[in-house]
Amino acid sequence: NAGVTQTPKFQVLKTGQSMTLQCAQDMNHNSMYWYRQDPGMGLRLIYYSASEGTTDKGEVPNGYNVSRLNKREFSLRLESAAPSQTSVYFCASNGLAIMNTEAFFGQGTRLTVV
Amino acid sequence: AQSVTQLGSHVSVSEGALVLLRCNYSSSVPPYLFWYVQYPNQGLQLLLKYTTGATLVKGINGFEAEFKKSETSFHLTKPSAHMSDAAEYFCAVTSNAGNMLTFGGGTRLMVKP
Repeated sequence: NAGVTQTPKFQVLKTGQSMTLQCAQDMNHNSMYWYRQDPGMGLRLIYYSASEGTTDKGEVPNGYNVSRLNKREFSLRLESAAPSQTSVYFCASNGLAIMNTEAFFGQGTRLTVV
Repeated sequence: AQSVTQLGSHVSVSEGALVLLRCNYSSSVPPYLFWYVQYPNQGLQLLLKYTTGATLVKGINGFEAEFKKSETSFHLTKPSAHMSDAAEYFCAVTSNAGNMLTFGGGTRLMVKP
């Protein structure tokens, strides 16, 4: 069982470059999420998608855009990367729009912006 | 609004000793509470969760946590630490009406031989 798959695992960008982080889940989950993890700050929600065709901002959405391509895939785009976006990014999914059930996480994407 | 505070960003215990990781939350509605564990260079996996019912919740790997509404706490315990427990632990909260899972800052557990 693949679960939640993120690509790439590592990426180095120059300031101003753009990139898209890909996420796919094979558990038929309705809801998908993008978090960023920074030392001492836990995980902070960037965007989420409660169901196919809907997306909403989380706690730290500035500088990011998302696309819920279909039920399986939820991508995160950085249009013009900044050093402050250096972080580890996690995609997660769960089965209900109300996040009171187990969330499954991908392995993370370690992004460095120089 | 909801928030989570984890006391102690680093906790060190000896192998075989009691593990106690502290979590306090704030929530304007009845909370659902979670503990996740993260091993190096991996994603997060669920240890245990409290939604409703029994306030003492048992999870994987011998961990348990008790929901104490009066203290707004959800501390994680394990009677006897094992070397394999060394990891980062995150407490998280959400509400029945919300979609955001709010995480604490994390506690890195170190286990000494």
